[in-house]
Amino acid sequence: DAGVTQSPTHLIKTRGQQVTLRCSPISGHKSVSWYQQVLGQGPQFIFQYYEKEERGRGNFPDRFSARQFPNYSSELNVNALLLGDSALYLCASSLGGHSMGPYGYTFGSGTRLTVV
Amino acid sequence: AQRVTQPEKLLSVFKGAPVELKCNYSYSGSPELFWYVQYSRQRLQLLLRHISRESIKGFTADLNKGETSFHLKKPFAQEEDSAMYYCALKEIVAYNQGGKLIFGQGTELSVKP
Repeated sequence: DAGVTQSPTHLIKTRGQQVTLRCSPISGHKSVSWYQQVLGQGPQFIFQYYEKEERGRGNFPDRFSARQFPNYSSELNVNALLLGDSALYLCASSLGGHSMGPYGYTFGSGTRLTVV
Repeated sequence: AQRVTQPEKLLSVFKGAPVELKCNYSYSGSPELFWYVQYSRQRLQLLLRHISRESIKGFTADLNKGETSFHLKKPFAQEEDSAMYYCALKEIVAYNQGGKLIFGQGTELSVKP
């Protein structure tokens, strides 16, 4: 099993641009969550999707959006990038919505986004 | 508000010394708590969860509801334990089967030879 895969691994964007980050969950997992980790802080919840429906949204502006596809992979989109959006974006997969299974949420390696 | 607090940003100990990484939480319900670890250049991975009551790599954590704490302990630290440790609380959104983790700010453990 390849685990949770995220792409790209690194990205540099200019202020005002738009970015799309991608995540493939572990085979058999139907839930994908997105977290933002700013340097020196713990991860902060952005979105959760389960069975292609949004199940939770964190305290982030509407510039952030996401979706989940029939194969359970997911995309996170951020519009009108700001310098403060520079962070590590983590994807986590789990069996269900709040049903985590025996291994909890499994995290990917993340996408490092730098906004200049 | 639901919150996880890790009061120490950095904890430095010598090899063989006992380790305790502190975690306090606030949650209006029955909490489900976790410890995640991030070794250098590796992904965040689950270390242990309170409901399984396991001991992983010699680490244990006991949920103390009276003190709202979930401290991580190890009797004898090893150099390979050096990493970033995050305490996390699971919040359930029952009506739509949603769930999320609320993380603390993390404690960097440095074990010196």
